Amino acid sequence: DAKTTQPNSMESNEEEPVHLPCNHSTISGTDYIHWYRQLPSQGPEYVIHGLTSNVNNRMASLAIAEDRKSSTLILHRATLRDAAVYYCILGNSGGSNYKLTFGKGTLLTVNP
Amino acid sequence: DAMVIQNPRYQVTQFGKPVTLSCSQTLNHNVMYWYQQKSSQAPKLLFHYYDKDFNNEADTPDNFQSRRPNTSFCFLDIRSPGLGDAAMYLCATSRTGLMRKLFFGSGTQLSVL
Repeated sequence: DAKTTQPNSMESNEEEPVHLPCNHSTISGTDYIHWYRQLPSQGPEYVIHGLTSNVNNRMASLAIAEDRKSSTLILHRATLRDAAVYYCILGNSGGSNYKLTFGKGTLLTVNP
Repeated sequence: DAMVIQNPRYQVTQFGKPVTLSCSQTLNHNVMYWYQQKSSQAPKLLFHYYDKDFNNEADTPDNFQSRRPNTSFCFLDIRSPGLGDAAMYLCATSRTGLMRKLFFGSGTQLSVL
């Protein structure tokens, strides 16, 4: 499985933007880039995904480098409820053996 | 709302006593996954079902088994729990296809006494 590298932790202030980086230098051409987050005592939840182009949804934006070897999850205005562990994951292409392998993730702390 | 439901939320078992954790889904997804998450660690995939096809991870101990009697239900059986099996067990579902969005349940926290 292709690996991702994320900082162990990051800190932000409430209502400020947050940029969470992820390196995935061994990404293959068909790997999607997924972001999930896990709030305390809950299961992970989907945040956003992308393949080549930058993506926006109501939760966040995903900026993907042109060579696809890195990406950045952008929370435009952090709230206290965004405090969570954020996982950057590469998903291999289709088929019966498709799976998402979680790395260590980034613990985001949001200060009031 | 359509959901992934795990019962119970907390489960206590004794060392060596078989235990079964359950997961149900109303999403009608073809794929169901079981992850193990130990304290302060990332979720670790144990196995998954692609329809009725079972896919075991190479490093999943034989002590862990799974059953999927129908599309909606999936069970995780731990035949002889050890102290090291205490963890959060997460069930997830997804459709098939090139990009699969996973929907997770809230998990079952297993304690082994």
